[in-house]
Amino acid sequence: DAGVIQSPRHEVTEMGQEVTLRCKPISGHDYLFWYRQTMMRGLELLIYFNNNVPIDDSGMPEDRFSAKMPNASFSTLKIQPSEPRDSAVYFCASSGRVNTEAFFGQGTRLTVV
Amino acid sequence: QQQVKQSPQSLIVQKGGISIINCAYENTAFDYFPWYQQFPGKGPALLIAIRPDVSEKKEGRFTISFNKSAKQFSLHIMDSQPGDSATYFCAAHNDYKLSFGAGTTVTVRA
Repeated sequence: DAGVIQSPRHEVTEMGQEVTLRCKPISGHDYLFWYRQTMMRGLELLIYFNNNVPIDDSGMPEDRFSAKMPNASFSTLKIQPSEPRDSAVYFCASSGRVNTEAFFGQGTRLTVV
Repeated sequence: QQQVKQSPQSLIVQKGGISIINCAYENTAFDYFPWYQQFPGKGPALLIAIRPDVSEKKEGRFTISFNKSAKQFSLHIMDSQPGDSATYFCAAHNDYKLSFGAGTTVTVRA
């Protein structure tokens, strides 16, 4: 298995532009998580899905952020419009059932200038 | 508000020495406590994990000690090697979610 695959690995965009981050979870995993990592705030859970359904989006910082999971093998995190303070590394992770290991992707380093 | 408090923020250890990282939590509903290791440019990867009904778990040079009454747990890295230089995160699991500590950057000097 190739693990959790994220794209792009790096994204540089101008303030105000729309940014879409993509994730392919491990096949067979029921849970998908989006995290954001910054020096100031560490690893923050933004949203997670169970069987493609958003369960908890309380970590999404603002309405500018949205996430979808149209099927079991694909999820997107969209920021519109982007702002410099959104600059961070965004990770997608997936896991199987309760109390099982969460596998992280390589992350997308987003820079908003 | 960070649900899991981790210390120290960084540490330097000589090759062959012992690295100790401590974590504390308040939420007694947490039911699974993993440690993740992260190298620069990579995502966190599970290193070792423990459940609250166990006081200690050892895997190779890595040991978790868990004190349920004190709501504390720690990671010990024995015989530290330069390849262990990384950032380590403790975490606590509840309701399908992980809450992470702030991370500890470990540097092992040869």
